[in-house]
Amino acid sequence: QVQLQESGPGLVKPSQTLSLTCTVSGGSISSGSYYWSWIRQPAGKGLEWIGRIYTSGSTNYNPSLKSRVTISVDTSKNQFSLKLSSVTAADTAVYYCAREIYGDLDYWGQGTLVTVSS
Amino acid sequence: EIVLTQSPATLSLSPGERATLSCGASQSVSSSYLAWYQQKPGLAPRLLIYDASSRATGIPDRFRGSGSGTDFTLTISRLEPEDFAVYYCQQYGSSPRTFGQGTKVEIK
Repeated sequence: QVQLQESGPGLVKPSQTLSLTCTVSGGSISSGSYYWSWIRQPAGKGLEWIGRIYTSGSTNYNPSLKSRVTISVDTSKNQFSLKLSSVTAADTAVYYCAREIYGDLDYWGQGTLVTVSS
Repeated sequence: EIVLTQSPATLSLSPGERATLSCGASQSVSSSYLAWYQQKPGLAPRLLIYDASSRATGIPDRFRGSGSGTDFTLTISRLEPEDFAVYYCQQYGSSPRTFGQGTKVEIK
């Protein structure tokens, strides 16, 4: 059974960079035709797709965030990561990592709340 | 970007009743690449339906997805107590992937 777990600071100051890591267990991040994705959800609101990465390093980003987002993968650690620069209060949200299989997201992490505040 | 509009925003029903949730797309969703997710408070979304009508592993057959093009529907034939939650549609026919704003199914 594949499991994903997000980790990283729960509090980030405005204008700084948000950094999160997703650790995949129960299977190799390199096996299969999977993309590895990040999604976020502000409190009481809907879901926003941030972007995804393939284990080759190929990435796709939401144009609304593209200038500030970097997603990377470390296959040796079975992890992938999210960096979001120049954060503001509008970036406060629960951040989820997930596995994408042919487009749909079949396994999700439990989510981690990141608050942007001074 | 494809905008997904879900209706109604809230559905108030009793256990045992039938729930019909709609998801409309601003342009045709390629190859019916549409998924439905269920989310309960404090938990991550759970995949229910992919490719518009295929149930994900372990999903009971009371959940049925249908539709194509710009109009999609999730039907829950008889609501069980555990089905009261928020439901999201998501398209993956084009980038960026987008989600609807959600439909809350609440106990009447």
